[in-house]
Amino acid sequence: GAGVSQSPRYKVAKRGQDVALRCDPISGHVSLFWYQQALGQGPEFLTYFQNEAQLDKSGLPSDRFFAERPEGSVSTLKIQRTQQEDSAVYLCASSGSGLFLNQPQHFGDGTRLSIL
Amino acid sequence: EDKVVQSPLSLVVHEGDTVTLNCSYEVTNFRSLLWYKQEKKAPTFLFMLTSSGIEKKSGRLSSILDKKELSSILNITATQTGDSAIYLCAVLGGGSQGNLIFGKGTKLSVKP
Repeated sequence: GAGVSQSPRYKVAKRGQDVALRCDPISGHVSLFWYQQALGQGPEFLTYFQNEAQLDKSGLPSDRFFAERPEGSVSTLKIQRTQQEDSAVYLCASSGSGLFLNQPQHFGDGTRLSIL
Repeated sequence: EDKVVQSPLSLVVHEGDTVTLNCSYEVTNFRSLLWYKQEKKAPTFLFMLTSSGIEKKSGRLSSILDKKELSSILNITATQTGDSAIYLCAVLGGGSQGNLIFGKGTKLSVKP
């Protein structure tokens, strides 16, 4: 597609439920990133994929967060047993760069997650 | 700890004014600095800066990097109400595999 596509745009869940957020990157982009953006803050890194390999998951806040990109294209971020502090906008970004990371990241519109 | 600091955090100007937004960073293994504009949706890419002293320009927006001062500025001339947004500065560096380290952003409001 023309840009990074994320779904759903909004998600409301009850505390304790599992949620899955989808990201469809720009076609052909090698690198895919997930960020979490709290209200009034800049995005914070969660995890990074190069093709299907998850090269960095140091930003995932707990083992309730899991991300995958099994075929090197679409990615899913899953949050198990959601807590109120998980409420945030989850942004996905993709970049055409591989190892040398010399191309900018382009962001999707995000999924606004609200945990009740 | 790697960090990016933006100032001011918020700014209110009138149409036609010129504004300068600041970004400073402390990052190991600096590779590049990026500016994004965020309205209600996705951060939109503006500039990527890797070399010190070379100005990048796009219409009324321009930006420059100073590696000695570990900082960058984003200038907007003849501001318009459509420039109202949060401007995010991000740095690629550290021991990361490619994740950006973001500042908190500067919220710019342009009044008619």
